[in-house]
Amino acid sequence: GENVEQHPSTLSVQEGDSAVIKCTYSDSASNYFPWYKQELGKRPQLIIDIRSNVGEKKDQRIAVTLNKTAKHFSLHITETQPEDSAVYFCASDTGRRALTFGSGTRLQVQP
Amino acid sequence: GAVVSQHPSWVICKSGTSVKIECRSLDFQATTMFWYRQFPKQSLMLMATSNEGSKATYEQGVEKDKFLINHASLTLSTLTVTSAHPEDSSFYICSADPRLAVTDTQYFGPGTRLTVL
Repeated sequence: GENVEQHPSTLSVQEGDSAVIKCTYSDSASNYFPWYKQELGKRPQLIIDIRSNVGEKKDQRIAVTLNKTAKHFSLHITETQPEDSAVYFCASDTGRRALTFGSGTRLQVQP
Repeated sequence: GAVVSQHPSWVICKSGTSVKIECRSLDFQATTMFWYRQFPKQSLMLMATSNEGSKATYEQGVEKDKFLINHASLTLSTLTVTSAHPEDSSFYICSADPRLAVTDTQYFGPGTRLTVL
């Protein structure tokens, strides 16, 4: 089955700096890659997603890049703010609509 | 739009009892719903895929006789944890797939925190 690896597990940045989280996947059939932000005790919140026919997508301070050949995708957050502090999960979908999640990255933005 | 609810939001039960968790799509129909489990400080792990009108598909290692799933309508799926034990204590989250042609997005419920004493 699909395996998604996520790095780093924790990331601490200064307010205003950029943060990058990287994921790799194993199944070449994967065609959809969402990123979620989860605050303690709450549901995952979709922040951005990308399909396999697109190499990059941007939404204000958040961007995702996808390299299908290398089977990796990355989340980029620019101009980080304290409210960006949370756990971020990448995920992939092989086409059966169920998601395989990465292990998560705890992002802390220091004011 | 695209709201998914879960009930209850938390439950505490004694070891050996059964607990039912409901997942509802409030403003759309979902032929497919998914059940995930999340242990503290860990990721979400898919337990099963729930299809309306048919048997659920369970992931490897998930006991189908222990985690009973019923998807009786296009807006409701239930997960029953039978004979719960302390190791079943976890955060259970459902998601509903509207299967829209324009998006791959599925919508998550707020989760149910189960504590088994």
